[in-house]
Amino acid sequence: EDKVVQSPLSLVVHEGDTVTLNCSYEVTNFRSLLWYKQEKKAPTFLFMLTSSGIEKKSGRLSSILDKKELSSILNITATQTGDSAIYLCAVKQGFMGSSGDKLTFGTGTRLAVRP
Amino acid sequence: DAGVIQSPRHEVTEMGQEVTLRCKPISGHNSLFWYRQTMMRGLELLIYFNNNVPIDDSGMPEDRFSAKMPNASFSTLKIQPSEPRDSAVYFCASSPQPQETQYFGPGTRLLVL
Repeated sequence: EDKVVQSPLSLVVHEGDTVTLNCSYEVTNFRSLLWYKQEKKAPTFLFMLTSSGIEKKSGRLSSILDKKELSSILNITATQTGDSAIYLCAVKQGFMGSSGDKLTFGTGTRLAVRP
Repeated sequence: DAGVIQSPRHEVTEMGQEVTLRCKPISGHNSLFWYRQTMMRGLELLIYFNNNVPIDDSGMPEDRFSAKMPNASFSTLKIQPSEPRDSAVYFCASSPQPQETQYFGPGTRLLVL
């Protein structure tokens, strides 16, 4: 069975702290790994990682994929209260003979940043 | 661009009633996905379409659930009959091509009493 596991399940930090969120996966036909941020509404896209060892950055957020370890991390530096959200990891799988991809999500990490 | 549009945004119904959720993908997107999110199970993919054709419906929980995509700009997810355990937020997402990023609609919050 395809599986995406995130840790920790929840995290409380203070503004200015750095956090590292983890995602590990066991899936067939891996294509890419995606990170989303979900506040009170729909998930919003952060990163898509396809190649191992190449860091992607967007402001204070960065992420990297390790295909050997079947995992990825999402780092947030100098956290702000606006970073409080659920961070979702999803793995995209491709299927032979089909023109569609499938996304399997982890249960998410709930991050709370206190002032 | 208006983004993915879902309706209704909130639905409250009684057990046994039929529920129809609607989705309009972003214009020009060829892939459409239906998800369900609950506290217990997180975000689950129910079914997805490519070029209006259902590709994988293995996530559909049971026969009470059905989804259609009659044209490139409209899809429905129907639950008949609804049960309290169907209460969840249902998201629709679309992507330009199968391998590209999915963009989510605002979701429909369903409560079945």
